[in-house]
Amino acid sequence: QVQLVESGGGVVQPGRSLRLSCAASGFTFSSYGMHWVRQAPGKGLEWVAIIWYDGSHKYYADSVKGRFSISRDNSKNTLYLQMNSLRAEDTAVYYCARDGGPWGSGDWFDPWGQGTLVTVSS
Amino acid sequence: QSVLTQPPSVSAAPGQKVTISCSGSSSNIGNNYVSWYQQLPGTAPKLLIYENNKRPSGIPDRFSGSKSGTSATLGITGLQTGDEADYYCGTWDSSLSVFGGGTKVTVL
Repeated sequence: QVQLVESGGGVVQPGRSLRLSCAASGFTFSSYGMHWVRQAPGKGLEWVAIIWYDGSHKYYADSVKGRFSISRDNSKNTLYLQMNSLRAEDTAVYYCARDGGPWGSGDWFDPWGQGTLVTVSS
Repeated sequence: QSVLTQPPSVSAAPGQKVTISCSGSSSNIGNNYVSWYQQLPGTAPKLLIYENNKRPSGIPDRFSGSKSGTSATLGITGLQTGDEADYYCGTWDSSLSVFGGGTKVTVL
């Protein structure tokens, strides 16, 4: 079945870096755009970034632009989020999610991973 | 402050109906499809509705979606205790995805 499994979360000091990974299985990873969405404790969902199925286009929320970088390795069926210059307000559960349809045909998120918690604290 | 506006909470008795509104603008809801997500306590979000009013396989027809102009609505009929969750609307705005602030549904 289609599955997304995030990893790489943890506690990190402000200003430091962290890289998250999302391992995909059960579908043709290279055919789907992928997203990162985060949720601060007790708060709502915040979309973070998208990368097209072929990696040709990437877009970011203003809150992370210039600090975060989304990438993918289609040979490893893995999505990444490189997070630099982390701030306390980046503390959240980070979810990876797949585009609803292949080749940009579905502008919804399905499925979602279980999430990985990132805590930025000194 | 979310780009899309949802009521913080709605409630109803079991078996009743609730509706959740999602208000946006011409740059987002007005020109894009809307999707809805259910987040049960302690779990990841799950797709409920896509392309305004379509249900993925496995989603009961008690859940429905509609869109008019710059607003969208999620309806839940025959409310069950298992429907207690947070519900989020989502759409696109200039190549960026946006979500509503979320609505907590309480079954009285």
